[in-house]
Amino acid sequence: DAGVTQSPTHLIKTRGQQVTLRCSPISGHKSVSWYQQVLGQGPQFIFQYYEKEERGRGNFPDRFSARQFPNYSSELNVNALLLGDSALYLCASSRQGNSPLHFGNGTRLAV
Amino acid sequence: TQLLEQSPQFLSIQEGENLTVYCNSSSVFSSLQWYRQEPGEGPVLLVTVVTGGEVKKLKRLTFQFGDARKDSSLHITAAQTGDTGLYLCAGEGGANNLFFGTGTRLTVIP
Repeated sequence: DAGVTQSPTHLIKTRGQQVTLRCSPISGHKSVSWYQQVLGQGPQFIFQYYEKEERGRGNFPDRFSARQFPNYSSELNVNALLLGDSALYLCASSRQGNSPLHFGNGTRLAV
Repeated sequence: TQLLEQSPQFLSIQEGENLTVYCNSSSVFSSLQWYRQEPGEGPVLLVTVVTGGEVKKLKRLTFQFGDARKDSSLHITAAQTGDTGLYLCAGEGGANNLFFGTGTRLTVIP
């Protein structure tokens, strides 16, 4: 079975632009979580979705938004990009909201 | 904010040596997880500890959860070059999210 897949793998954007990152969970997993990992730090929780509903939100500004589709894939959108948004964005899936997380290899965003 | 601090931040040892990594917090967690992350990849779950005082072994890795469920340690016996990576602890808080520690970057020299 394929693991969690994220696209694109790398992305370069300019300050002020908008970006959409995509995630496909492991087959059978209904929960998707997004994390931001700045260089040299541990991942920070952004969002969790379960059965297409937002179940948790971290301490991120409203410029960050996400959604989950009927096939359980997910998109993370970031508007009005700032230099500080440069990071590795990780998607993780699990069967249920509290099950062990399986991470993808991330999208590395450079602003 | 539930903060998890890991020490040391960086560790470089010779192959065959033993080491211990610590994860400390002032908050109580319902469970604590340890991950290893290699360059260009996402974190991979190693173990989950749930009960205060719990000890779990995974081959040469020994994980312990503090009695008060605020801290944890990871001990590696006879380190190998394949153990090189970023070790992250993560506490399960409310709202279905994980609070990750600052990480310990381990380098095992052949």
